[in-house]
Amino acid sequence: ETGVTQTPRHLVMGMTNKKSLKCEQHLGHNAMYWYKQSAKKPLELMFVYSLEERVENNSVPSRFSPECPNSSHLFLHLHTLQPEDSALYLCASSQEGGSEQYFGPGTRLTVT
Amino acid sequence: GENVEQHPSTLSVQEGDSAVIKCTYSDSASNYFPWYKQELGKGPQLIIDIRSNVGEKKDQRIAVTLNKTAKHFSLHITETQPEDSAVYFCAASKPYNTDKLIFGTGTRLQVFP
Repeated sequence: ETGVTQTPRHLVMGMTNKKSLKCEQHLGHNAMYWYKQSAKKPLELMFVYSLEERVENNSVPSRFSPECPNSSHLFLHLHTLQPEDSALYLCASSQEGGSEQYFGPGTRLTVT
Repeated sequence: GENVEQHPSTLSVQEGDSAVIKCTYSDSASNYFPWYKQELGKGPQLIIDIRSNVGEKKDQRIAVTLNKTAKHFSLHITETQPEDSAVYFCAASKPYNTDKLIFGTGTRLQVFP
């Protein structure tokens, strides 16, 4: 185990639903990330939080809304998603300014 | 911006053989190059990394080489074992922007017993 946990591991939601993904890191890190992993595409960085401040937002649609209440927890709030948003959503953490990122197991999201 | 290309997309080897995965990057300012292994149902796991001030780094059966002039780096796995079967990703990042890793598209390695 990497010390980064994600819940739920699997999620099926309709396009009109609202759901949230949760990530927790037990490594004492102060930077956290959301990535989207789709088949046959590189991992796409969505959001970066460093010291609980959002420092990166890679042109992600507003139907994805991140929240970082403290340095150990990260959420991704989802609403009115599209079928093309179906993917594996990965959370990672690192020390701020550090290069080594540690990933959680991901949430497999299916939008119907 | 940075672009990372990875080859091959799939690689099959016999147990005990060596496997080599190659990546090229576009931004000569990149100076950090990690490799991640992703097993089925798990997130990517950092297995080895290299910085631009060295040309090679080794950790038991895995090694990474870096050619800054040609802007490419490679992962070498020797004496492959079935448990090495996974998807491997390379990545690159720049100084003072190490939070932003740019990943390759991945190589699915299968090691047959």
